[in-house]
Amino acid sequence: DTEVTQTPKHLVMGMTNKKSLKCEQHMGHRAMYWYKQKAKKPPELMFVYSYEKLSINESVPSRFSPECPNSSLLNLHLHALQPEDSALYLCASNLRQGPVNEQFFGPGTRLTVL
Amino acid sequence: EDKVVQSPLSLVVHEGDTVTLNCSYEVTNFRSLLWYKQEKKAPTFLFMLTSSGIEKKSGRLSSILDKKELFSILNITATQTGDSAIYLCAVGASGTASKLTFGTGTRLQVTL
Repeated sequence: DTEVTQTPKHLVMGMTNKKSLKCEQHMGHRAMYWYKQKAKKPPELMFVYSYEKLSINESVPSRFSPECPNSSLLNLHLHALQPEDSALYLCASNLRQGPVNEQFFGPGTRLTVL
Repeated sequence: EDKVVQSPLSLVVHEGDTVTLNCSYEVTNFRSLLWYKQEKKAPTFLFMLTSSGIEKKSGRLSSILDKKELFSILNITATQTGDSAIYLCAVGASGTASKLTFGTGTRLQVTL
């Protein structure tokens, strides 16, 4: 299995809703990432998990809450989002956290906040 | 602050043309430069370059890195409409916990 999967593909939520995004990989990668990508912009890093521990939080608002239950799974819990949080949310993984390992991206979840 | 600049921002070519996409960077403790292709969804990995002067090649795509002049190019020969996409360049540096700094991308459109 050489891919990163994400669910759901699309999500529409109201500002008072609580929802979760899910990311899974079975490549034995020990670093996993959440990125946010707005239209016509490059991906922006949100969080990095290394060996199931949070190693980077890029000053992301607390309405985004990441979780890494095991080495294959990464969740992003969403609560009280704003319309400006609408974006493509990308998960990525690589073998180990480090600048010489390529990151593989999942297909993304397109999130719309009403 | 680390910086990655791609040029041109967008490009329209005819099928069969050869294109060269550019990526320049200013990064402390450079370790790697990566090229990705992004169509409608997730970026797809193309190449990772860590050493100067060594060309990486995959079919009609090739890339090379110049660490002295701090740039990389991505060449696509005999372009096809399926090459239409945004091409992203990203740079990884040591000491920054594997954070990639992305350029804004080059939007390539290949027409018939």
